[in-house]
Amino acid sequence: AQSVSQHNHHVILSEAASLELGCNYSYGGTVNLFWYVQYPGQHLQLLLKYFSGDPLVKGIKGFEAEFIKSKFSFNLRKPSVQWSDTAEYFCAVNPLKGGFKTIFGAGTRLFVKA
Amino acid sequence: SAVISQKPSRDICQRGTSLTIQCQVDSQVTMMFWYRQQPGQSLTLIATANQGSEATYESGFVIDKFPISRPNLTFSTLTVSNMSPEDSSIYLCSVRLDETQYFGPGTRLLVL
Repeated sequence: AQSVSQHNHHVILSEAASLELGCNYSYGGTVNLFWYVQYPGQHLQLLLKYFSGDPLVKGIKGFEAEFIKSKFSFNLRKPSVQWSDTAEYFCAVNPLKGGFKTIFGAGTRLFVKA
Repeated sequence: SAVISQKPSRDICQRGTSLTIQCQVDSQVTMMFWYRQQPGQSLTLIATANQGSEATYESGFVIDKFPISRPNLTFSTLTVSNMSPEDSSIYLCSVRLDETQYFGPGTRLLVL
């Protein structure tokens, strides 16, 4: 079955530290890839997405993600986190064949210490 | 993008009762989805609701428990029927626009 794995359930960083959240998916065909963020008490927001082209995509708030097809990975990065980045981050995959279902990872809770 | 609103934003219900959640979108969309997000867990797709056809339910979810209406291209409802404490969760409406899914603010349900 198709699945999305996020390597870390909880991450704690200090402000200005660099961030990398891992995401791997299991699907051999073409996919669209997403990262969503859920700030405390708020709803899910799209952070960035990859459909095709340059495998390094930039999103809002200084986030970027790199698609590595050979590794089935779409890791999220930010060079220097801020306290306001404290949130839960979800990786999601939409296989382009087999319907329009988007499959979500379990999420990574990021806590940034001021 | 799409602006999605849900009503109610939260509710506390007694077991055995039913609750209908409304979802309104600011633009016409073909595909709408209902998700559940249980405490500390990721999103689980309940069903896909396309206007003009019956909703398609995922494994583990049935129409009798989660009836869905989709009367037009901007509105849908999800009913959680005969509720039990296990139904306590956040229920999210989502739409698909330009190959991207957007989410409503969610309805936080607590069943006592």
